Amino acid sequence: TQLLEQSPQFLSIQEGENLTVYCNSSSVFSSLQWYRQEPGEGPVLLVTVVTGGEVKKLKRLTFQFGDARKDSSLHITAAQPGDTGLYLCAGGDDSNYQLIWGAGTKLIIKP
Amino acid sequence: DVKVTQSSRYLVKRTGEKVFLECVQDMDHENMFWYRQDPGLGLRLIYFSYDVKMKEKGDIPEGYSVSREKKERFSLILESASTNQTSMYLCASSFSRVSTDTQYFGPGTRLTVL
Repeated sequence: TQLLEQSPQFLSIQEGENLTVYCNSSSVFSSLQWYRQEPGEGPVLLVTVVTGGEVKKLKRLTFQFGDARKDSSLHITAAQPGDTGLYLCAGGDDSNYQLIWGAGTKLIIKP
Repeated sequence: DVKVTQSSRYLVKRTGEKVFLECVQDMDHENMFWYRQDPGLGLRLIYFSYDVKMKEKGDIPEGYSVSREKKERFSLILESASTNQTSMYLCASSFSRVSTDTQYFGPGTRLTVL
């Protein structure tokens, strides 16, 4: 059974600080997606990474896919209150085209 | 923009009632999904459909059924609601069967079963 573990489960920091959240597995994935979910809404895709070692940047957010395609990280520089939300990672497996979801990291950025 | 709509944002039902959750997408997507989301457990797939009248079980299908009579509409049915089905239900759609495809989500239905 493929599992994705996210850490930390909860993070509360001050505006302007940097942070990193992690998504780890013992399984290899063909792709890894990160979604953000705001209260009362469904998740929205932030990025998809498909190549081991791939790094993608989205303004102050930096996403990295591990070399072995078993893990990923999301780094936020100078966090803003608008970054508050639940961050979910989801691993893709082309053998069955379903996504394996992590439990999420709840992030609160205090002004 | 893709839009996925769900019939209710909040729903309160009694144990034993039959419950229908409706989902509609407006982008002609092939795939549609029903998930439930519980704190600390992430998203768990209940059922998905890759074509009209086609359905496949996800990880937790027990106690649920689905219907897809039209491409744009995917319904989740709780035949006899139980308290352990109190949860947030999310519907999603995607263009194709490739795992890298974006899943577009509705706003969710928070179901409480008393």
